Amino acid sequence: QVQLQESGPGLVKPSQTLSLTCTVSGDSISSDVYYWSWIRQPAGKGLEWVGRIFTSGSTNYNPSLMSRVTISVDTSKNLFSLKLSSVTAADTAVYYCARASRNYVQYYMDVWGKGTTVTVSS
Amino acid sequence: DIQMTQSPSSLSASVGDRVTITCRASQSIISYLNWYQQKPGKAPKLLIFAASSLHSGVPSRFSGSGSGTDFTLTISSLQPEDFATYYCQQTYSSLITFGQGTRLEIK
Repeated sequence: QVQLQESGPGLVKPSQTLSLTCTVSGDSISSDVYYWSWIRQPAGKGLEWVGRIFTSGSTNYNPSLMSRVTISVDTSKNLFSLKLSSVTAADTAVYYCARASRNYVQYYMDVWGKGTTVTVSS
Repeated sequence: DIQMTQSPSSLSASVGDRVTITCRASQSIISYLNWYQQKPGKAPKLLIFAASSLHSGVPSRFSGSGSGTDFTLTISSLQPEDFATYYCQQTYSSLITFGQGTRLEIK
């Protein structure tokens, strides 16, 4: 059974870089039928897609975050990572990692991590 | 960006009711539409993919329909465990977007 687990600091100071890792167990992160995403959710609000990475290394980011976000994959460790620079209080949220599976040409997020809360505060 | 608008934003219903939630895209997304259920403090769970395909393990009382810009999620007979927030998501664009959510509450 595939599982995703987010890890990283729960508290980040303003202007610093938020760094999170999503470790994948039970399947290979290298399969080309998947891509890997980060989604965040401020307290009491809706879901915001942060970005994704394909196993080829190709990435797409939310334009509202594009200048600050980097997603990378480490196939040797079966994990992918998120870095968000110059954080402010507006980046405080629960951060989820998710796997998207392909059905013909469409994708859907069928496996999610439990989420990790990141607070930006001095 | 493709904007996804759900209606209603919140809904009160009783166990056994039939409930429909609507999601409208700002442009055609063909059938690149997924539905998720989220309970407080938990990660979202996939219900429906490709507008109308039921994800494995999801009860058959959930169904999805629509294409182009208008989509619906229907729960045929509400069960106590269905009270949650529901999100639609489009994956037509390389910029993935979610609807704002529909909170389904017990009447």
